[in-house]
Amino acid sequence: GQQLNQSPQSMFIQEGEDVSMNCTSSSIFNTWLWYKQEPGEGPVLLIALYKAGELTSNGRLTAQFGITRKDSFLNISASIPSDVGIYFCAGRKAAGNKLTFGGGTRVLVKP
Amino acid sequence: DVKVTQSSRYLVKRTGEKVFLECVQDMDHENMFWYRQDPGLGLRLIYFSYDVKMKEKGDIPEGYSVSREKKERFSLILESASTNQTSMYLCASSLSQGAGNEQFFGPGTRLTVL
Repeated sequence: GQQLNQSPQSMFIQEGEDVSMNCTSSSIFNTWLWYKQEPGEGPVLLIALYKAGELTSNGRLTAQFGITRKDSFLNISASIPSDVGIYFCAGRKAAGNKLTFGGGTRVLVKP
Repeated sequence: DVKVTQSSRYLVKRTGEKVFLECVQDMDHENMFWYRQDPGLGLRLIYFSYDVKMKEKGDIPEGYSVSREKKERFSLILESASTNQTSMYLCASSLSQGAGNEQFFGPGTRLTVL
């Protein structure tokens, strides 16, 4: 069954705000990935993390691989309307290429 | 750029029908995957394949089978569709295994079983 707990499940953003989401697990993962899915499309890889403690940025996105290897965080700075979508975390254990996904964080724009 | 294509974006089938979902990738990737996506549950792995004619069960294989006769093509088969198989189905591929060989996804097929 699903092993990654992703929170929040949904959030509203206002343009210019910083937002963050996280993913936790009871198991250790050796790789953490963050994907974004826009309506009608498949997930697209945003950031890949391969080392505990690693902090990696991709434009306004920053993600961290937790020191315990059981969690990861994604921050979006100065959000813009096109940041809406569903963000998924995914973890990979040592062997093979199987990924375990979180339930997703749906990012919406405040009306 | 890697391109993963899926044969249909939307599909409506009746209970008991046999359903084929096709996926093709154009980058000579070794690995291919089938997931289903349901609200709040994220993506769950159904089956995957590391090579031609090779398949392995994922986390939720019941009610599904797969076929990989050619490297570029990975088919998902619902032998007798049921309403609880209504879902978004996503295909993915990766060059190889391990760190750095991340998965690229197709646009998905939204299947409705009536």
